[in-house]
Amino acid sequence: DGGITQSPKYLFRKEGQNVTLSCEQNLNHDAMYWYRQDPGQGLRLIYYSQIVNDFQKGDIAEGYSVSREKKESFPLTVTSAQKNPTAFYLCASSRSGFAEAFFGQGTRLTVV
Amino acid sequence: GNSVTQMEGPVTLSEEAFLTINCTYTATGYPSLFWYVQYPGEGLQLLLKATKADDKGSNKGFEATYRKETTSFHLEKGSVQVSDSAVYFCALSEWNAGNMLTFGGGTRLMVKP
Repeated sequence: DGGITQSPKYLFRKEGQNVTLSCEQNLNHDAMYWYRQDPGQGLRLIYYSQIVNDFQKGDIAEGYSVSREKKESFPLTVTSAQKNPTAFYLCASSRSGFAEAFFGQGTRLTVV
Repeated sequence: GNSVTQMEGPVTLSEEAFLTINCTYTATGYPSLFWYVQYPGEGLQLLLKATKADDKGSNKGFEATYRKETTSFHLEKGSVQVSDSAVYFCALSEWNAGNMLTFGGGTRLMVKP
């Protein structure tokens, strides 16, 4: 079945550590996105990529980094510079030129 | 810039009640409009969409009509079920904004038996 797979589902990070969230899609979509969701709030765009080897900052990119070396993969690293990383992270993808996005199941990151 | 405003929740209804979740938008051009649904602990699923004025999107008993004159895309369902309990997000996208999705803040719906 085609879709987007995020892993892990739950992730715990100690303060000062970097962690990487995985996002893989087999939908052959060109565009991929990372969103952050805080309790009771909407989605905020962290980074997006419209094509391999290219990506742009979203509204809240500080403290995060991404790479897009393969069309299928768009990992997100939450660095120690992100002061409040506890949140639910959602990855999405879409066909180039189409806004309809497909979402993964999310990764819940908690700082311990 | 673009923005989406939804009614604040939670919205609490009894089973079989009529549902309306209001959504209004601000856009510089001619956006496409979407409703996404998020069940507890999961990602978002596309519920319905409309791409031009007066279009009606529908799915699973939910409907929304693209009203350009009032810049609105209200979500309705005639008879809600307990299984409809979720968070609903209104969103828009525009070609001149790179087709990026702009989301509203979400509205939590709780349906009681």
